Amino acid sequence: DAKTTQPTSMDCAEGRAANLPCNHSTISGNEYVYWYRQIHSQGPQYIIHGLKNNETNEMASLIITEDRKSSTLILPHATLRDTAVYYCIVRSKVPSGNQFYFGTGTSLTVIP
Amino acid sequence: DGGITQSPKYLFRKEGQNVTLSCEQNLNHDAMYWYRQDPGQGLRLIYYSQIVNDFQKGDIAEGYSVSREKKESFPLTVTSAQKNPTAFYLCASSPHGQGRHEQYFGPGTRLTVT
Repeated sequence: DAKTTQPTSMDCAEGRAANLPCNHSTISGNEYVYWYRQIHSQGPQYIIHGLKNNETNEMASLIITEDRKSSTLILPHATLRDTAVYYCIVRSKVPSGNQFYFGTGTSLTVIP
Repeated sequence: DGGITQSPKYLFRKEGQNVTLSCEQNLNHDAMYWYRQDPGQGLRLIYYSQIVNDFQKGDIAEGYSVSREKKESFPLTVTSAQKNPTAFYLCASSPHGQGRHEQYFGPGTRLTVT
């Protein structure tokens, strides 16, 4: 599975959009981009995933660049409850090993 | 309510004792997973199972054992052979084989061994 690079930490004002970047320059054609988040001392929560088209659900939007080498997770109106570590993961839908490789992610702090 | 349950939330054991962590899901998912998380670190895969009565080692299986006798249950035993058992343990399940691969996690069990 391709490796990803994320900033270690970010701040966002409450009510504003939080834009979390992820670089995955070695992504291959059959690999999807997944986003999870982990609130302190809880299990990770699935947010969204995509292949090449932009995706939106009730939690967030995922913007993938045309060359697929990077993506951005957008939380449109951040709340204090969105403070968490956000993980960007790339993997194929027919994976070897069947695991998600969670790195250290981006620690997002939403400020009142 | 559908979901994944792990019990207990906190567990304390003396060194040298085996301990079994429970994981149950009622999502009808085929695949189940056990991860370990240490402070400030990402998750590392211990074991996974894609189907009943079958399971595979992950990256850090030494000192751990699992069973998958029922689709809903995937208990993890931390044996006395595990050198650093104190950690946050997370169970997950996935509708693998149903065309989807996102994993859904339980609330975790924090194990402390002294």
